[in-house]
Amino acid sequence: DQQVKQNSPSLSVQEGRISILNCDYTNSMFDYFLWYKKYPAEGPTFLISISSIKDKNEDGRFTVFLNKSAKHLSLHIVPSQPGDSAVYFCAASPRGGSNYKLTFGKGTLLTVNP
Amino acid sequence: GAGVSQSPRYKVAKRGQDVALRCDPISGHVSLFWYQQALGQGPEFLTYFQNEAQLDKSGLPSDRFFAERPEGSVSTLKIQRTQQEDSAVYLCASSLTGTFLSYEQYFGPGTRLTVT
Repeated sequence: DQQVKQNSPSLSVQEGRISILNCDYTNSMFDYFLWYKKYPAEGPTFLISISSIKDKNEDGRFTVFLNKSAKHLSLHIVPSQPGDSAVYFCAASPRGGSNYKLTFGKGTLLTVNP
Repeated sequence: GAGVSQSPRYKVAKRGQDVALRCDPISGHVSLFWYQQALGQGPEFLTYFQNEAQLDKSGLPSDRFFAERPEGSVSTLKIQRTQQEDSAVYLCASSLTGTFLSYEQYFGPGTRLTVT
């Protein structure tokens, strides 16, 4: 049972346009949400996060939006650059004593075309 | 500074062999995590150490999997009597703290295990 779902396996956008990656979750105990970026043959690297007490967090070209009632979050990248081409993983951690435990989605492969 | 390193990067094992995968976390990082990433899937939590104490091993798929971190730094994930379903990338991550700042997990490049 997938508790974190990324329903789009891939996304292709033009350089300079906006990339929107989506993520849905089912576990209402999730309290903190993160996006990781992964290049081939490398480990995931942390990109941006958001706490459940917020609905938006912005860092440069990256913005994460959280809609708790819909159990949905999205990552916006604007403007997209070819170097953003990678697999993006959505992850969530629960509140309480197990908040170290990250649950990941399957990932979305983003391709930014020059 | 140096990131998380893992060795070997690639391992091919015959079914039934034992394997040992090593993780060198970032120096000074208290917490260490192991994840398993099957092809086309996201990483899945295996186990968590705080210093040398293994606080959570709920994700280990069977008793063939064993992890240790005896001196609170380097960790080894051992898989006994490997099976084909063990084929995956094994990721190690470390963080300065493991609880409040759970998002600050820094990942290594992983070890790709193929069981033939």
